[in-house]
Amino acid sequence: AQSVTQPDIHITVSEGASLELRCNYSYGATPYLFWYVQSPGQGLQLLLKYFSGDTLVQGIKGFEAEFKRSQSSFNLRKPSVHWSDAAEYFCAVGAGGNEKLTFGTGTRLTIIP
Amino acid sequence: DAGVIQSPRHEVTEMGQEVTLRCKPISGHNSLFWYRQTMMRGLELLIYFNNNVPIDDSGMPEDRFSAKMPNASFSTLKIQPSEPRDSAVYFCASTQTGGFYEQYFGPGTRLTVT
Repeated sequence: AQSVTQPDIHITVSEGASLELRCNYSYGATPYLFWYVQSPGQGLQLLLKYFSGDTLVQGIKGFEAEFKRSQSSFNLRKPSVHWSDAAEYFCAVGAGGNEKLTFGTGTRLTIIP
Repeated sequence: DAGVIQSPRHEVTEMGQEVTLRCKPISGHNSLFWYRQTMMRGLELLIYFNNNVPIDDSGMPEDRFSAKMPNASFSTLKIQPSEPRDSAVYFCASTQTGGFYEQYFGPGTRLTVT
């Protein structure tokens, strides 16, 4: 069975600084990988997804993520964060033929002026 | 598209009462998921349906919880009787089989059981 680890529970970044959120997965084959964002009081919104092909994927709101098979990682990045990026971020992994997604425990992002 | 619709958005009830949460998936999506989110346990999958049939209910905490999907555009999650430990945010999500399994979430129902 697949699993996801988000090692950082909470990250604080200054507005305008770059951001990288870590995600490691465990799965025998090539997984489907996702990043979701949850703003306070809201549902989860899909930021981006990786299925195959180019290992650098672009998403909404200026986010990107890079799939690294050798490191079993799918880290989320943004070159310059905005105060509105403060939220909780979830990495998720899916396996071919199985519609269930396994979610990480989330990373809470705080933005300081 | 209106997205996944959930109702009510907030529910406050007393212990022992029956609670029914409702979900309308995105049109054309044929898989539906119910999740529960708490601070202590994070995001938990309770049950999911494919083509209105329950496929995996291993996450349903106990017999007090039940879920139905009578047609492709409607699902309910019922708790009877409710207990304070059921207080959580309940999310519904849908996806389209044959795609790549990205799930689209509703805004959630915040349930408080007093």
